[in-house]
Amino acid sequence: SAVISQKPSRDICQRGTSLTIQCQVDSQVTMMFWYRQQPGQSLTLIATANQGSEATYESGFVIDKFPISRPNLTFSTLTVSNMSPEDSSIYLCSGGGRNEQFFGPGTRLTVL
Amino acid sequence: TQLLEQSPQFLSIQEGENLTVYCNSSSVFSSLQWYRQEPGEGPVLLVTVVTGGEVKKLKRLTFQFGDARKDSSLHITAAQPGDTGLYLCAAADGSNYKLTFGKGTLLTVNP
Repeated sequence: SAVISQKPSRDICQRGTSLTIQCQVDSQVTMMFWYRQQPGQSLTLIATANQGSEATYESGFVIDKFPISRPNLTFSTLTVSNMSPEDSSIYLCSGGGRNEQFFGPGTRLTVL
Repeated sequence: TQLLEQSPQFLSIQEGENLTVYCNSSSVFSSLQWYRQEPGEGPVLLVTVVTGGEVKKLKRLTFQFGDARKDSSLHITAAQPGDTGLYLCAAADGSNYKLTFGKGTLLTVNP
């Protein structure tokens, strides 16, 4: 298994600003992903973080709004840019391989 | 993209009762994973099923993968308050490891 940590755990931000969320895995993983989740609801995949290249985004998510980096096999960042109240959510990263993914504890973002 | 139908969406039961959660799709899965999530935490992997007809047990939890690999169920026997949480099924895309999640089942077990 892999242990995944995220920073920050929560933040309250002003409209129009940007926040970068960090995700660290304690071991090398094949894949890393970023998700968004409303409390009590399911997860929506934002993008696949590709090591050393541009992330692969899902429908409805774009690089200008959610730039992602993955410089190595254990670290990734997600930036939520030019935030609006609609971006208030829980953001989760995951890492793993074909048949198992491990999740970080999430970052709870509130945009005022 | 595979669409996963998960039911029921909400379930409130008394301690000691049994329950079953279902996860269905019209597509064939390469594998299916079940997660449990508590408030303020990320989802925790419970089990991965890969083979059609497979049954896996984890203490009081029994996971079954349909013969055609299009459906799965999670059965909890003698539920306890500690089982309370959001249960999520997720289907793996065999080509790129992406997971598609069901809408989740919010389970409350009352003492």
